[in-house]
Amino acid sequence: NAGVTQTPKFRILKIGQSMTLQCTQDMNHNYMYWYRQDPGMGLKLIYYSVGAGITDKGEVPNGYNVSRSTTEDFPLRLELAAPSQTSVYFCASSSRQGTLDGYTFGSGTRLTVV
Amino acid sequence: GQQLNQSPQSMFIQEGEDVSMNCTSSSIFNTWLWYKQEPGEGPVLLIALYKAGELTSNGRLTAQFGITRKDSFLNISASIPSDVGIYFCAGENYGGSQGNLIFGKGTKLSVKP
Repeated sequence: NAGVTQTPKFRILKIGQSMTLQCTQDMNHNYMYWYRQDPGMGLKLIYYSVGAGITDKGEVPNGYNVSRSTTEDFPLRLELAAPSQTSVYFCASSSRQGTLDGYTFGSGTRLTVV
Repeated sequence: GQQLNQSPQSMFIQEGEDVSMNCTSSSIFNTWLWYKQEPGEGPVLLIALYKAGELTSNGRLTAQFGITRKDSFLNISASIPSDVGIYFCAGENYGGSQGNLIFGKGTKLSVKP
């Protein structure tokens, strides 16, 4: 099993450009999450989804959008990139809340906005 | 919102030494998790704790869920160079409308051979 796969691994965007960070999981997990990690900080939740067709805002949703049309995929969209969105983005999934296995994380997308 | 205070922020130790780090919160959590993150990778789960007072080991790692459900510690015994990384605590509440992990800011561990 691949687990949680994120693409791309690295990306440089110009201010105002848009892009989609892809995330897919092959574990049939219902719950999926997007976090951002800034230097010296923990991970902050951007958006999450409890199942296909259902998404909800996390702690820092401004400037981002998500969709969940299938169980496997949970893309994160940046419409108008800003320097404040320079960060490392992690996608994660879990089988349910309070899961015995915790969350499985992807290896991250490092985004720089210039 | 809920916050976790993780300490220390960083540690520089000699190979073979024991390590201790902890997390505290003003809020109660149902689950405490400890993750390790290596450079260029996502966090990987080390230990999960589900009951207040629970003490769990995973090899050289031992973690405890505080009796008040507001704190947890992680100990690493006889450290080795591959223990290098950032260790995150995370608390989770479930059953509410928002199910997600709240992360501490991490403890960066450096081990001198």
